[in-house]
Amino acid sequence: ILNVEQSPQSLHVQEGDSTNFTCSFPSSNFYALHWYRWETAKSPEALFVMTLNGDEKKKGRISATLNTKEGYSYLYIKGSQPEDSATYLCAFKGGGSYIPTFGRGTSLIVHP
Amino acid sequence: ETGVTQSPTHLIKTRGQQVTLRCSSQSGHNTVSWYQQALGQGPQFIFQYYREEENGRGNFPPRFSGLQFPNYSSELNVNALELDDSALYLCASSPGGGGNSGANVLTFGAGSRLTVL
Repeated sequence: ILNVEQSPQSLHVQEGDSTNFTCSFPSSNFYALHWYRWETAKSPEALFVMTLNGDEKKKGRISATLNTKEGYSYLYIKGSQPEDSATYLCAFKGGGSYIPTFGRGTSLIVHP
Repeated sequence: ETGVTQSPTHLIKTRGQQVTLRCSSQSGHNTVSWYQQALGQGPQFIFQYYREEENGRGNFPPRFSGLQFPNYSSELNVNALELDDSALYLCASSPGGGGNSGANVLTFGAGSRLTVL
């Protein structure tokens, strides 16, 4: 069983704050790390696909970094807005399987 | 381009009953995966179908079974429902099939919420 951990479990921030959270995964046999955003009552949507150690991806105010050697990825949100409120899931592909293993997610609530 | 659609969105069953959940994959996607998300947990992999064959299975008992049809749509069947089967069931499609690359992301439906009483 692959262990994919996300922290914190939940986060409350004020509009305009910058924030970050972590996804930890096995550091061996790495294929890819995906980030998804899941808004309430909607479908999870892919944010980033990260495949190489040192990868940095950016989409607007959201960015992500990847360290496969130590087994972690950070997701950063700069200047949080209420519409950023969602659960952010990471999914690890590796350990001999291309089937993604999900973390429990980080629930972000941005207060106006 | 249509996304992934799931039906029904909500349903209530009693213990011991059977349930069938349905999923239409995104156009151009030939692989369908099913996930169970219980309260407070991340999505747990149930199984994946590619070209109408099961292509990987998570740690779920045989009473969880599935089908994939020639148009790549899929069904999840659960027999002898238990209270712990209450969860959100997510269907996701992807391109690529059996040799999934690391880069292939999943396109999810909005889920079917099952309550077992």
